[in-house]
Amino acid sequence: EVQLVESGEGLVQPGGSLRLSCAASGFTFSSYAMHWVRQAPGKGLEYVSAISSNGGSTYYANSVKGRFTISRDNSKNTVYLQMGSLRAEDMAVYYCARDGWMGFDVWGQGTMVTVSS
Amino acid sequence: EIVMTQSPATLSVSPGERATLSCRASQSVNSNLAWYQQKPGQAPRLLIYVASTRATGIPARFSGSGSGTEFTLTISSLQSEDFAVYYCQQYNNWPRSFGQGTKLEIK
Repeated sequence: EVQLVESGEGLVQPGGSLRLSCAASGFTFSSYAMHWVRQAPGKGLEYVSAISSNGGSTYYANSVKGRFTISRDNSKNTVYLQMGSLRAEDMAVYYCARDGWMGFDVWGQGTMVTVSS
Repeated sequence: EIVMTQSPATLSVSPGERATLSCRASQSVNSNLAWYQQKPGQAPRLLIYVASTRATGIPARFSGSGSGTEFTLTISSLQSEDFAVYYCQQYNNWPRSFGQGTKLEIK
């Protein structure tokens, strides 16, 4: 079964750090670009970050640039999102998604990041 | 960055009726446009890709059209399970930007 499973959910204080992981299974992970998308409570989808299939290219939304780092380990079929200098506005459900070259055809279940003192 | 704009923000339609949702891109995305459905507490689900091709398992009442900068998602006869939020997304360029969503609610 093709699947993405996020982990790393947590409560963190403003200014703190957190690392999210997204483990892939059921497909050739190294062939696909991967993305992180977040959704604040009651809000729409916000595109956060992306990484190419070999990790050579990355993208960050302006709202997270300089604070978040995306990476991947193709030997472990996992993509990561290292989040630092967290703010209240970063509080959201974070989804990882597979770029199927026809849109995001596989999504994880989402993992909640809460930023609060 | 390509900006995607959806309209309307909220659409109230009765079950059995047709719903038409619009999406506009700030520049041409060719036919590299996808539609997603999201229900509360769930991840988005891919409905349509290449502007008009239904994803696996998507009922025929869902159809997409358009190219370039103007796109439409039509749901021909609304079922109770179709009331949700719908997002368009362009995947012609990075970043793969989303529209702000259209909430389809029961009238």
